[in-house]
Amino acid sequence: KQEVTQIPAALSVPEGENLVLNCSFTDSAIYNLQWFRQDPGKGLTSLLLIQSSQREQTSGRLNASLDKSSGRSTLYIAASQPGDSATYLCAAFEPGNTPLVFGKGTRLSVIA
Amino acid sequence: GAGVSQSPSNKVTEKGKDVELRCDPISGHTALYWYRQSLGQGLEFLIYFQGNSAPDKSGLPSDRFSAERTGGSVSTLTIQRTQQEDSAVYLCASSLDRGLSNEQYFGPGTRLTVT
Repeated sequence: KQEVTQIPAALSVPEGENLVLNCSFTDSAIYNLQWFRQDPGKGLTSLLLIQSSQREQTSGRLNASLDKSSGRSTLYIAASQPGDSATYLCAAFEPGNTPLVFGKGTRLSVIA
Repeated sequence: GAGVSQSPSNKVTEKGKDVELRCDPISGHTALYWYRQSLGQGLEFLIYFQGNSAPDKSGLPSDRFSAERTGGSVSTLTIQRTQQEDSAVYLCASSLDRGLSNEQYFGPGTRLTVT
């Protein structure tokens, strides 16, 4: 059974810092891995999706990498801003008739 | 374009009452998912619809939970005889297909409180 773990559970950084959020998964047979952002009381916003054949995806100040062999993905946020404060979730999608498997998220606070 | 919409945004109900939660997926998306997010917990899969295929109900926590999808578009999640442990945010997502690009787009959720 796929399990997704995110470390750390919470992170506080000063504005302007570069930071890395970690996501690990136990079964490397994934189709893709998706990173989401969730603001308090809101739904999920898709940030980046990495296909199993890809190693990374970039969108603006965000860069997500995927290493299937080690069962790890990272989300890199450059030059963090207070507006980046949110909970970041990663989710794995496996072959077959299965739903996304989510980690419990990393709660990020960027302090001005 | 319009994203996934859900209604109501908030629902407070008394224990034992039935509730219906609605999801309008993105037009043209054939796959629709329901998830539940309880306080301090991760997202828990409930049920999945794909086109005209039989739904995957493997995540429904009890027979008090059911869902339908009419005309391959709007979906309703029904919880009968609600219990306090049903209190959670119920999230709906849709995607274009279940191929390699299965990027899921989420609605804002319905926050259910059972008193």
